[in-house]
Amino acid sequence: EPEVTQTPSHQVTQMGQEVILRCVPISNHLYFYWYRQILGQKVEFLVSFYNNEISEKSEIFDDQFSVERPDGSNFTLKIRSTKLEDSAMYFCASSGLADTQYFGPGTRLTVL
Amino acid sequence: AQRVTQPEKLLSVFKGAPVELKCNYSYSGSPELFWYVQYSRQRLQLLLRHISRESIKGFTADLNKGETSFHLKKPFAQEEDSAMYYCALLTSGTYKYIFGTGTRLKVLA
Repeated sequence: EPEVTQTPSHQVTQMGQEVILRCVPISNHLYFYWYRQILGQKVEFLVSFYNNEISEKSEIFDDQFSVERPDGSNFTLKIRSTKLEDSAMYFCASSGLADTQYFGPGTRLTVL
Repeated sequence: AQRVTQPEKLLSVFKGAPVELKCNYSYSGSPELFWYVQYSRQRLQLLLRHISRESIKGFTADLNKGETSFHLKKPFAQEEDSAMYYCALLTSGTYKYIFGTGTRLKVLA
């Protein structure tokens, strides 16, 4: 059964550095998403992406964040200048239509 | 405001006992509701969605619009049901899930 994959599984970075989190959605899916979960808190929506543009974004998704689908398979989340409070688990998801979403295993980002 | 509430952080039951994981939502429109399960160190997996009205791994959930609830139930809990359970709301016209805070279910032998 096809699955969403994410790399790396764990990323450690210094505050102020740029990070890129990578996701490979399920191949015939059209909608792509990023969520994050700060330790001990709920899973929060960051952004959705469809037809090569952002469909919706949350207040968390400020100018430090960007998303890209650089080729036919990858979907990336870039954080330009990481802050301590960006430390979280980041989940990528995809869906065929704008309904049931399938999640990747997550990338744990630790900002020191 | 759109919100999902899971009032219990932790629910412990004995094997063979009935389980009910509570989920209430706040949304004025027509909601789509989902239950996701996360086993230890694994990804969030879809357990069920209300419009399919399926029973998956013995779990069922009924949408009660009057009580704005979507509680997850299983008549006889198994040890392998131990996991984190998240209720999620998809509002019409948007592309995002609103998650509850999750309930950790522990099924004791």
